[in-house]
Amino acid sequence: QQQVKQSPQSLIVQKGGISIINCAYENTAFDYFPWYQQFPGKGPALLIAIRPDVSEKKEGRFTISFNKSAKQFSLHIMDSQPGDSATYFCAARKTGANNLFFGTGTRLTVIP
Amino acid sequence: NAGVMQNPRHLVRRRGQEARLRCSPMKGHSHVYWYRQLPEEGLKFMVYLQKENIIDESGMPKERFSAEFPKEGPSILRIQQVVRGDSAAYFCASSPPSPAMNTEAFFGQGTRLTVV
Repeated sequence: QQQVKQSPQSLIVQKGGISIINCAYENTAFDYFPWYQQFPGKGPALLIAIRPDVSEKKEGRFTISFNKSAKQFSLHIMDSQPGDSATYFCAARKTGANNLFFGTGTRLTVIP
Repeated sequence: NAGVMQNPRHLVRRRGQEARLRCSPMKGHSHVYWYRQLPEEGLKFMVYLQKENIIDESGMPKERFSAEFPKEGPSILRIQQVVRGDSAAYFCASSPPSPAMNTEAFFGQGTRLTVV
């Protein structure tokens, strides 16, 4: 059973455009929502994370929007660059727990 | 400060053999997590260990898989009598002694196991 559902599976964006990746969850025990970036042959690297007490968090070109009532959160990449081409995973962690539940990933391709 | 070190990076085993995957956490980290990533899928939690203790193994298959994190040395994920379905990338992550509100887990580069 997939606890965190992610879409789309793949995404192609023109350079300079906005990339948007969406995730949804059901378990209200989740209280930490990170996004990871993974390049081929590499491990996931934390990109940005949010907790449910805020609705938005921005770091540079990356923004997380969080809708607690809808149990959805999304990653927005502004001014997308070819170097952003990677697989992005959303994840969630329960209160008091240590392991992460990952989405199935979105393969982003930014074309010049 | 070296990151999470995993070795080997690539491992090929014949069906029925044993696979041993090693993970050295970041300096100062005493918590280790193992995840498995099947092709075109997200990471699935397997086990969480602290030094000499298994804290949560709810994601570990019941048979053939075991993990340890001894007082000295790296954490080991051991797969006995491997089958083709074990082919995957296995990632280790580590975190500081208080994996709570504001700590994150750092991932290694993974071991890609291929069973032939």
